[in-house]
Amino acid sequence: GAGVSQSPRYKVAKRGQDVALRCDPISGHVSLFWYQQALGQGPEFLTYFQNEAQLDKSGLPSDRFFAERPEGSVSTLKIQRTQQEDSAVYLCASSYPPGDRAPYEQYFGPGTRLTVT
Amino acid sequence: DQQVKQNSPSLSVQEGRISILNCDYTNSMFDYFLWYKKYPAEGPTFLISISSIKDKNEDGRFTVFLNKSAKHLSLHIVPSQPGDSAVYFCAASRALGGSQGNLIFGKGTKLSVKP
Repeated sequence: GAGVSQSPRYKVAKRGQDVALRCDPISGHVSLFWYQQALGQGPEFLTYFQNEAQLDKSGLPSDRFFAERPEGSVSTLKIQRTQQEDSAVYLCASSYPPGDRAPYEQYFGPGTRLTVT
Repeated sequence: DQQVKQNSPSLSVQEGRISILNCDYTNSMFDYFLWYKKYPAEGPTFLISISSIKDKNEDGRFTVFLNKSAKHLSLHIVPSQPGDSAVYFCAASRALGGSQGNLIFGKGTKLSVKP
């Protein structure tokens, strides 16, 4: 019954550290998306899962970014060797139908604000 | 190159009046459009959507209009209430060619409704 949850809500990392961001989608939702939102910008697509399959990772900015959803529910976005330009809010969204079927409404979590110092 | 554009960073409206938020897009392959509302420190909340086969969709105080020939959509809120003060994002999606339906967002318009 609960919405999409994300943890931690805030994360401060020193440059070079690895971080892991967690997303718990709405139960039963097939599709899961990760977005990155820089200050003053709209969310930008990173990657998409349909159940456990990562069908699109074209938005990941570098090979330091890695996402997984091994059992088709909880997902983790990992960023290795963080850089200052990785500072942003990372949003997770889920939707019931497969991503290529209407309706396309996605339900967002509160986001994780990552600050790299 | 931005495919979804919200050219007004902010809008201020008096309570009870109409708020009109605008959005333009460049990709004619988009077939579904959505509006999201975002409060500080929260994720975007889905508000209303419209399929490209329609030109209007209404839900309570919220109406979205789509002009495909102009590649333009707008969100009307009437009457505006102080609780509507938030950042509004326009988003577009396309299903053709096996796209997975990821949303492409504009930069947002900050709406302030003054009592």
